[in-house]
Amino acid sequence: AQRVTQPEKLLSVFKGAPVELKCNYSYSGSPELFWYVQYSRQRLQLLLRHISRESIKGFTADLNKGEPSFHLKKPFAQEEDSAMYYCALAGTYKYIFGTGTRLKVLA
Amino acid sequence: EAGVVQSPRYKIIEKKQPVAFWCNPISGHNTLYWYRQNLGQGPELLIRYENEEAVDDSQLPKDRFSAERLKGVDSTLKIQPAELGDSAVYLCASSVSGTLETQYFGPGTRLLVL
Repeated sequence: AQRVTQPEKLLSVFKGAPVELKCNYSYSGSPELFWYVQYSRQRLQLLLRHISRESIKGFTADLNKGEPSFHLKKPFAQEEDSAMYYCALAGTYKYIFGTGTRLKVLA
Repeated sequence: EAGVVQSPRYKIIEKKQPVAFWCNPISGHNTLYWYRQNLGQGPELLIRYENEEAVDDSQLPKDRFSAERLKGVDSTLKIQPAELGDSAVYLCASSVSGTLETQYFGPGTRLLVL
């Protein structure tokens, strides 16, 4: 079955602490992986994608084909990182979102 | 640039009534997506268009849902008749071409069926 699993619905961390949002996936083939973010009262937007290998707002994500996973990490969380984060998988003919993880960064 | 435009932003209807949502994608984007997002869930793809052709509508409940993208630009998603379970946020997104490109989302239409 093709799916994206985000095991945590809510993740709370203190400002300055490291953050890791988990994303596991199941897909036959070589998909492209994305992280999308939705800040309060804003539309869903791309945070980063695997193929570009960029670091956006201090976030990085590494593709681990062995697990397989595409966890999102940031070494020092900021209050403005509080948002809803969605992991997404794109195949040639499919696009699948996870159920999302709400990140709360506490002062 | 305005980005992806959707209207209306909110809609409240009684069950069994029809409802329609409109989407204007980013200029030059060939691929258009309609998603449904239920509370506490991620977006679920309903239909994907490449230009004016619906290339993936496997998740679209065809007994009551229909969509069209005339001239390969604007798109309309219709529900007739609406059911209580259709209450959700309906998102439209567009990308340059194909599923491997970044998607740009509209603000969504929040539907409440009473």
